[in-house]
Parts: sequence; structure tokens; C-alpha cells
Amino acid sequence: DARVTQTPRHKVTEMGQEVTMRCQPILGHNTVFWYRQTMMQGLELLAYFRNRAPLDDSGMPKDRFSAEMPDATLATLKIQPSEPRDSAVYFCASGLGLAGYTGELFFGEGSRLTVL
Amino acid sequence: EDQVTQSPEALRLQEGESSSLNCSYTVSGLRGLFWYRQDPGKGPEFLFTLYSAGEEKEKERLKATLTKKESFLHITAPKPEDSATYLCAVPSLSNAGGTSYGKLTFGQGTILTVHP
Repeated sequence: DARVTQTPRHKVTEMGQEVTMRCQPILGHNTVFWYRQTMMQGLELLAYFRNRAPLDDSGMPKDRFSAEMPDATLATLKIQPSEPRDSAVYFCASGLGLAGYTGELFFGEGSRLTVL
Repeated sequence: EDQVTQSPEALRLQEGESSSLNCSYTVSGLRGLFWYRQDPGKGPEFLFTLYSAGEEKEKERLKATLTKKESFLHITAPKPEDSATYLCAVPSLSNAGGTSYGKLTFGQGTILTVHP
């Protein structure tokens, strides 16, 4: 059963600490997205990768967020230093090349981050 | 800037009571509209893609329709297991270094609760 795997599922940390979230996309998918979901803002796109190259990271606060794909089976989202306003659920999604046009994104179960 | 508005924010139905959810959009040239279902503690799950006005898609008790200004998700004779948040999204055509891609804008969602 192919699925997107995210770790950790839950993370509680203190302000100023580094947080790293990991995502294993579905094998064969070459498009990876990072989204953040909050009650106030809903789902916001943070980063968009195709074939491991970043196409769009305009939704990320550049001073503290970074996203990478070290290889085709791993995407990472790092926050350093973390702040309470970063508390949210972070979703990774993967799809085939045209997923942004077809809408056929496969989401992971999310990483719930709480920054105290 | 593309905008997506969903209504109502929340909808409570009795089992068997049919109804519709609305997704209205403001985009510069519609390139598709997508519907997703999100269960509590899970990531969104892709349901439908609609590309042109007049198009309809069905899946079990769900039918999605599209006009030039809005989309409806009709739920016929719902069951408690249909309870979830339903999200719609539209893609914006974007370009990065000569590579075009679709960047999704999500609505805030409609929380559907079906009582037995």
C-alpha cells in the first residue's frame, strides 16, 4: 500500500530549538510539496520540489525555514530557530510530474508541531 | 491573486439528508478545480478533478459539478462515515526558471457532520 510517510508525527519543543521534519514520498513520485495547516490560515504551500529541485519556496520564511531533498526518497523541512507562531500541522505530499495541474496529490498524515 | 471561498463553514446533517457544499473561486483563467476529503488527524485525500464548466464527477454518494464561477459537492443520502472536512483547491499557473507548474490555492474547507 503506497503512502507518504512523515516523521515525527508529533513534536513539542521550546522556542529557539531546531526542528527537522522528514518525509518519504511515494516511490516513483517526482513532485514533493510541503504544506502548513492552521485553523486561521488553512493550508499554505511552503515548498514545491520537482525532480528534487526546488521550484517554489516563496511561502517559507527564509530566515528560519529551509527545505531540501537530499535524494529522491527523502525530503526535509527544517526550522531554526523555532517560534511559537510556527505551531501547526506540517504536511508533505507527493505526486507525479503534473500533480500541480491534476490535483492528484497524496498527502502524508502530517507532523503536528507545538512550540512553547 | 486567486481566491477560493467555501461555504458553509460547517454543516450538520441527519443520515439520509442530502445537501450540497459550495466552492466559489476567483482565478485568472480556470485550469481545474480539485476536491479533497480530510479526516481528523489525517492529511487530505484527493477526490475529484474538474476541468471545464458543465463537467461532473461522481464517487459513491458524492457528485462534484462545476460552473464558471463555482463548484458544488452534492452529497446524496449521506452516512455518518461521510463526516469529514471537504476542501476545494484551484491551481495557479506559475513559472520558475522556465519550468511551469501548478500552484494550488486551497479554500478553508467545510466541516461536514452526519448524525445517525
